Parts: sequence; structure tokens; C-alpha cells
Amino acid sequence: KNEVEQSPQNLTAQEGEFITINCSYSVGISALHWLQQHPGGGIVSLFMLSSGKKKHGRLIATINIQEKHSSLHITASHPRDSAVYICAVRSYAAGNKLTFGGGTRVLVKP
Amino acid sequence: DTAVSQTPKYLVTQMGNDKSIKCEQNLGHDTMYWYKQDSKKFLKIMFSYNNKELIINETVPNRFSPKSPDKAHLNLHINSLELGDSAVYFCASSQAAGGTDTQYFGPGTRLTVL
Repeated sequence: KNEVEQSPQNLTAQEGEFITINCSYSVGISALHWLQQHPGGGIVSLFMLSSGKKKHGRLIATINIQEKHSSLHITASHPRDSAVYICAVRSYAAGNKLTFGGGTRVLVKP
Repeated sequence: DTAVSQTPKYLVTQMGNDKSIKCEQNLGHDTMYWYKQDSKKFLKIMFSYNNKELIINETVPNRFSPKSPDKAHLNLHINSLELGDSAVYFCASSQAAGGTDTQYFGPGTRLTVL
């Protein structure tokens, strides 16, 4: 079992729908990252958080440290949001490195 | 203005060859990383350098050797390439080490070993 699990693995939504991607981890962490990998392969960092909630445009990331769970929400989804969304954690046990989830492939249809 | 650049973007080569991938960042960051993304799209850390010093060295075959001539560059040299080395390799940088700072990724280098 991976230290970082994401669900769902694949998600298809209609334009305008609200999307939620989940990330669960099994270790104590000091930081959690959400990344976006475009269809062309490029990776962009969306959020880094260690508590609470962050918002950027139509994207919202939340984390519950006690439950070892984070969610990434996309409001009013758009076809350009189609990408793979990757969760990564910095765990105390793993030292100075990030451990990645397997990604959630999101397709937003017009 | 490209923040993190990698060359080449695509690399096709025969088994047994030696090849290098170059990475440069113009963000003034102190820490650079090499990641490997396999065919199942899992990203895994390979190496990390902070101010030209190696701070992370995962269980990577010693055919892989990173070199950091200065803190803006982290190159990856691979000897005796094998079929299993085929993957996309991403370089990244951050101001601070340790995964507690935003990481900026390069565009990736798709390596295909025939």
C-alpha cells in the first residue's frame, strides 16, 4: 500500500460541475503539495499547505491533519482544467523528500 | 523567461549508451531535484542538491550520477542505459530544501531506450 493514496483515479465531469479529488496519507507529515500535470506533460505546483485551507481562483485545497486527509476542489470546472492532479507529502519519516500519490486524471467535457 | 529548463526534451538512444540530461534554473533557488516518472505516471525522487551538495540520494543504480557545477545547474548523467531507464525525467527547484517550499518543475525529458 502506498503511503499516499488518491481517489478517484479517473474522473469525468461536465463543464461547470464542482469537482473534488481526495488524498489520504498514512504517515505524519509537515507539508502537503497539490500539483497539476498538463496533458503535454508539464507539472505546475498548485498549493502547498500544512493546515487549514487555501484558495487560488477556482481551486480550493483543504487539509485535515488529524484525519490525514486532503481535498482539492475545482469550482465551475472548465475543459482547460483537464489534467492529472497529484498529491505529494513531506513526511517526518522520509526526511527531506516528497512522496507522491498516483494522481487523479480529470477530464472536463464541454 | 523559462524558470526551470531541461535539455533535451526528447532523447532516444540504444541500450548500453551513455547520455546526459541538463537542467538549469534562473530562480535563484538553493535546492534542485531530479525526479523519475515511470510508465504508470508515479513520480519518485532520485536526487536532491542544496547549494551544490548532495542531500538526497535515493536507491538509484550507480549508473546514474548527478553533477551540480553551481547551484543553478543540476545535470544527470546515465551510463550503460537499460530498457528500464525509459521514463520521463523531471528537474525541479525550490528555495528551501526538505519539501516545505513550493517546487518549480522543468518541462521534462522523455528518455526512450531501445
